[in-house]
Amino acid sequence: SYVLTQPPSGSVAPGQTASISCGGNNIGSRSVLWYQQKPGQAPVLVIYYDNARPSGIPQRFSGSNSGNTATLTISRVEAGDEADYYCQVWDTDSDQWLFGGGTKLTVL
Amino acid sequence: EVQLVESGGGLVKPGGSLRLSCAASGFTFSSHSMNWVRQAPGKGLEWVSSITSSSTYIYSADSIKGRFTVSRDSAKNSLYLQMNSLRAEDTAVYYCARGRTPGIGAGGAFDLWGQGTTVTVSS
Repeated sequence: SYVLTQPPSGSVAPGQTASISCGGNNIGSRSVLWYQQKPGQAPVLVIYYDNARPSGIPQRFSGSNSGNTATLTISRVEAGDEADYYCQVWDTDSDQWLFGGGTKLTVL
Repeated sequence: EVQLVESGGGLVKPGGSLRLSCAASGFTFSSHSMNWVRQAPGKGLEWVSSITSSSTYIYSADSIKGRFTVSRDSAKNSLYLQMNSLRAEDTAVYYCARGRTPGIGAGGAFDLWGQGTTVTVSS
């Protein structure tokens, strides 16, 4: 079955750029979604269709997807960006949604 | 206000049943697919089940097939999850989430989430 692999954690200093990866076999052929989840809160969609932003999501959030890796990039990181981030794809082989294991982003 | 509100969670013994509800408001419920996602304590997100806007298609995770059933009632703007034969590993916060599209698939990102309802399976 298809698997999405994310690093468990990452850290970045305020004002710098954070990159969170999501690995999967030929993931570049799939459409990747990204969610942000802060402690005690429900997830929020931040990227869909690889690089589209829902209304209300800052332009600092962007996505890319090619080959075996999709990436969520957060520019000019702020303290409020500290959260868990999850990637997601629709697996047409199994007709199931798949989530990555999540990456905990710490803002130093 | 556009929102989803889950209810029906609680403590249940292994082998028991529970029915979760999700009340939608502030948007055209019948135009969107709907989804259930759960999160075990300290763990990541796990997709549970999805249903198209017209209830024509239903998809479910292997871990709950044969035990959980998703349904919706557009007259009541509500989504449901009937959970039977509950196990300890079903203990989680259960979230209701709206899909961006009427159908399920790559375009159906989960763009609106409820705050969740907690299900605890324990003797």
